[in-house]
Parts: sequence; structure tokens; C-alpha cells
Amino acid sequence: DVKVTQSSRYLVKRTGEKVFLECVQDMDHENMFWYRQDPGLGLRLIYFSYDVKMKEKGDIPEGYSVSREKKERFSLILESASTNQTSMYLCASSTRGGNQPQHFGDGTRLSIL
Amino acid sequence: GQNIDQPTEMTATEGAIVQINCTYQTSGFNGLFWYQQHAAEAPTFLSYNVLDGLEEKGRFSSFLSRSKGYSYLLLKELQMKDSASYLCAVRDGGNNRLAFGKGNQVVVIP
Repeated sequence: DVKVTQSSRYLVKRTGEKVFLECVQDMDHENMFWYRQDPGLGLRLIYFSYDVKMKEKGDIPEGYSVSREKKERFSLILESASTNQTSMYLCASSTRGGNQPQHFGDGTRLSIL
Repeated sequence: GQNIDQPTEMTATEGAIVQINCTYQTSGFNGLFWYQQHAAEAPTFLSYNVLDGLEEKGRFSSFLSRSKGYSYLLLKELQMKDSASYLCAVRDGGNNRLAFGKGNQVVVIP
């Protein structure tokens, strides 16, 4: 079974802090994704990566950056956290191939105070 | 870009059949996925359609009509554990990114 592990289930940070969310997958997947999920808005793509050291902007990249130094790890960085970044953050991975589903981690509930 | 539309909530009785619809508009359709998400849990993959027609997997079936930009997920013999949000996601073009609908919350009652 594919395992996607996010470093924290719950996280509380303060406005202006730099926040790191970590995601690790154990299936040698090429693709990794970061989403946020908010009530009434569904899952929205922040950033994704097709390979080590590469990244592409999703639909809502403002205020975020990412890092993919190793194939199994994809980090999401909030450069200067703001209250409107309070959300559920979900990481996913998939292998190449159009019919391959994305596999999700359990999510990190991030609160910015 | 993509526009994906799902109804927000429905209630159904244990043992019944429920159909969850998804309509989409996309510039380069290349597959549609259905996911199930229980409260406070990760979405889990249910089904994939890329060609027109019905795909059956046990109690769950998914249908696709590319010409109509329409899909549905059919849940048969509903069980209480099927209470969840059901997400429709469309793959647009040759990359692996997905655009998700807002999800349809299904509540199963005894």
C-alpha cells in the first residue's frame, strides 16, 4: 500500500512566522502535490512537482513556496504566515500515467493565530 | 481552466441506491476520478473513467459521457459507513494535475 505521511496532524503558529509542512511518500512516485481544503471551496492546488528539484505553480500559489530536494519528500513553506492561511493542508503523490490516482496523506490542520 | 460542478448534499436511507452527479467544462479532458472522503480523513480513490460508459466495482459504479461533460457515481446497497463526501476530479490535458469539484456530502440514515 502507498503511504503518504505528513509530519503533523495539528499545528498552531503565529502570524508572521515561517511555517514548514513536510510530506514523505514511500512508493517512489514521481509526482507530488500540495492542496488546501476549505469548507465550501473544496480542494485547491497550491503547488506540484513532477521530479526532484522541479516545481510548478497550482491555482493558488501566492504566499507559499515549495522544495523538492529528494524524490520522496515535498515540503510546503509559508514564508510569512497569515490568518487567511488557516486551513487543512493535504499532500498527495502519484506515479506517471494518466490513469494513476493520487494518494493522499492524512492532512495537517494548520491554525494561524 | 476547468469548471466542475457537484450538488452539495444529499440524504439517503440504508440499503437504498444513490446517484451523485458531476458536470465539468474543461479545455482538454483526459480522465475523471472519484474519491471518497470521510470527515477528518484523507480522500481515498474509488474509480477512474476515461472512455464513455460504465465502470463497475462492487457496490460502486461510475459512468462517463465525454460529449455531455457528465459523470455520475452510483452507490448501491447503501451502508452507514458510506456517509462521506464524494469528490469528482478531472484531469486536464497531458499532465497529472487534477481539478476537484467541491464534493457532495452523502448522509446515510437508518
